[in-house]
Amino acid sequence: TQLLEQSPQFLSIQEGENLTVYCNSSSVFSSLQWYRQEPGEGPVLLVTVVTGGEVKKLKRLTFQFGDARKDSSLHITAAQPGDTGLYLCAGRGAGSYQLTFGKGTKLSVIP
Amino acid sequence: GAGVSQSPSNKVTEKGKDVELRCDPISGHTALYWYRQSLGQGLEFLIYFQGNSAPDKSGLPSDRFSAERTGGSVSTLTIQRTQQEDSAVYLCASSSDREAFFGQGTRLTVV
Repeated sequence: TQLLEQSPQFLSIQEGENLTVYCNSSSVFSSLQWYRQEPGEGPVLLVTVVTGGEVKKLKRLTFQFGDARKDSSLHITAAQPGDTGLYLCAGRGAGSYQLTFGKGTKLSVIP
Repeated sequence: GAGVSQSPSNKVTEKGKDVELRCDPISGHTALYWYRQSLGQGLEFLIYFQGNSAPDKSGLPSDRFSAERTGGSVSTLTIQRTQQEDSAVYLCASSSDREAFFGQGTRLTVV
């Protein structure tokens, strides 16, 4: 069974601060996705990373896939209240169709 | 519709009654997932369907839970003899390749 550990579990920061959320595993993933979920909604896909060492940017969000494809990070610059939500990472193992989700990081950005 | 559709969006049921939750995946998606999410928490994997393969039922919490997927499309999650601890949001997702797309969820309240 592949497990994805996300940290921190909860994060409360002031508007304008920077933060990083981590997603770690002992398993290798062929691809990894990050999702954001707002209250009352289903998770929405933010990005997919495939290549070890890959970095993708989405406005103030920077996603990185580890060189060994076992871990990933999400960095948010100058956080805003609109970034508040539950951030989930999900990985697909090599040769597998099944997605494995982490438990999520609940982010609160205080105005 | 173009997205994953779940019904009902809200369900209140009395303890001990059976409930059925429905998921209409995106057309052509071969993979379908059910997750459970308690208030403010991450996703708890329940069951995974992939094409005509036997489903991965390893996440079902008890034998009161079952799910089927008819014709490789619509899926129904059934909870028998509901208990108060079954109260949660039940999310369905479908996938054709790397990424999963989620429905809005069914909020189940057992009173």
